[in-house]
Amino acid sequence: EVQLVESGGDLVQPGGSLRLSCAASGLTFSNYEMNWVRQAPGKGLEWLSFINTNGDVIGYADSIKGRFTTSRDNARNSLYLQMDSLRVEDTAIYYCSTDQPGDLEFEDWGQGTLVTVSP
Amino acid sequence: QAGLTQSPSVSKGVRQTATLTCTGNSDNIAKHGAVWLQQHQGHPPKLLSYRNNNRPSGISERFSASRSGNTASLTITGLQPEDEADYYCSAWDSTLPGYVMGTGTKVTVL
Repeated sequence: EVQLVESGGDLVQPGGSLRLSCAASGLTFSNYEMNWVRQAPGKGLEWLSFINTNGDVIGYADSIKGRFTTSRDNARNSLYLQMDSLRVEDTAIYYCSTDQPGDLEFEDWGQGTLVTVSP
Repeated sequence: QAGLTQSPSVSKGVRQTATLTCTGNSDNIAKHGAVWLQQHQGHPPKLLSYRNNNRPSGISERFSASRSGNTASLTITGLQPEDEADYYCSAWDSTLPGYVMGTGTKVTVL
């Protein structure tokens, strides 16, 4: 069974930084492309970032481009989201999700980690 | 990045049929199809349909997806109280490396 566990969410001031992690188990992590998706309180889902299996293709939503950086460590079965220059509007639950081989997107989801940006 | 457009809400009675639509463009839905996600309050999303309109293992046959041109649809037949949730579509977009997400539809089962 695939398990994704996000961590690193916290309360941070505007302008601050956080690093989120997504630990994967029950899968051959190096074969899976990955995504970050967030959900602000009372709002819809927002796709944030995609990374391919070896990390040489990374895409970002305009809302985070230049401020957030996605990376992965296949040896550690982990995905990361480095969040800099945080804004109040970045307050959300952050989820990681898998893209399985064969165009099987968003198959698995973690429970999410809460990031709160507040003065 | 323009997102995918969904109707904000749908209300139907138990055992009725609800059809949700998701409109994109030639760079996303028309070219790559769309997936559908279900999210109950306080829970992470759950995949209902792959981009080829097939269902993951364990998803009820009451959920069926289709696509015509720039529009994807999700039909829920025989609505049950547990179907009350938010539904999102998403599609790979050729102008990114990445996805666009729908605005979401809240389904209420009366």
